[in-house]
Amino acid sequence: NAGVMQNPRHLVRRRGQEARLRCSPMKGHSHVYWYRQLPEEGLKFMVYLQKENIIDESGMPKERFSAEFPKEGPSILRIQQVVRGDSAAYFCASSPRQGLDTGELFFGEGSRLTVL
Amino acid sequence: RKEVEQDPGPFNVPEGATVAFNCTYSNSASQSFFWYRQDCRKEPKLLMSVYSSGNEDGRFTAQLNRASQYISLLIRDSKLSDSATYLCVVNKGHDYKLSFGAGTTVTVRA
Repeated sequence: NAGVMQNPRHLVRRRGQEARLRCSPMKGHSHVYWYRQLPEEGLKFMVYLQKENIIDESGMPKERFSAEFPKEGPSILRIQQVVRGDSAAYFCASSPRQGLDTGELFFGEGSRLTVL
Repeated sequence: RKEVEQDPGPFNVPEGATVAFNCTYSNSASQSFFWYRQDCRKEPKLLMSVYSSGNEDGRFTAQLNRASQYISLLIRDSKLSDSATYLCVVNKGHDYKLSFGAGTTVTVRA
């Protein structure tokens, strides 16, 4: 499968625990984007990364959330001390270059976080 | 005000019917417009781009009205497989940040 791969698909955490979501971009893509979809809301941009660099994290909550895209391995979205309001679907997307020529982002199937 | 607003629906239509819905966007600097489709608990996928002159892709027709800042999608001869949530998406040029509406749910019944 050459698509964007996310895992885990479903994650349940208790309040105060940590959540780690992983994303492997499509082959040949070096740009990764994380979006969050809260219930009944549209997807919201969180962060844009290239290998070893955070390009734009303007959509990330100031506390508890962090993201990385190391030289080797998948991109990781980390949420510390989760709260119930973090329950959402987290989608990762990738592209081969910055900017979207066609407006098409290729999304992974998402990671659904439930905080009890 | 939300950047992109959509009527959430649901629009319940019989097979073969035509269904149409709009979305409005608030940023007049927006340059690129798209419709994505999202099936229940799945990822969004690009359905079609929306061009100023309007465009058609099979049974789907998209229109853009820049003056009134709205985009429309029309589905003709609805199929059961058209049941999904349709997301209106707006972009300022070729920026990497897409602004998504919350979606319009369409249910096609037999």
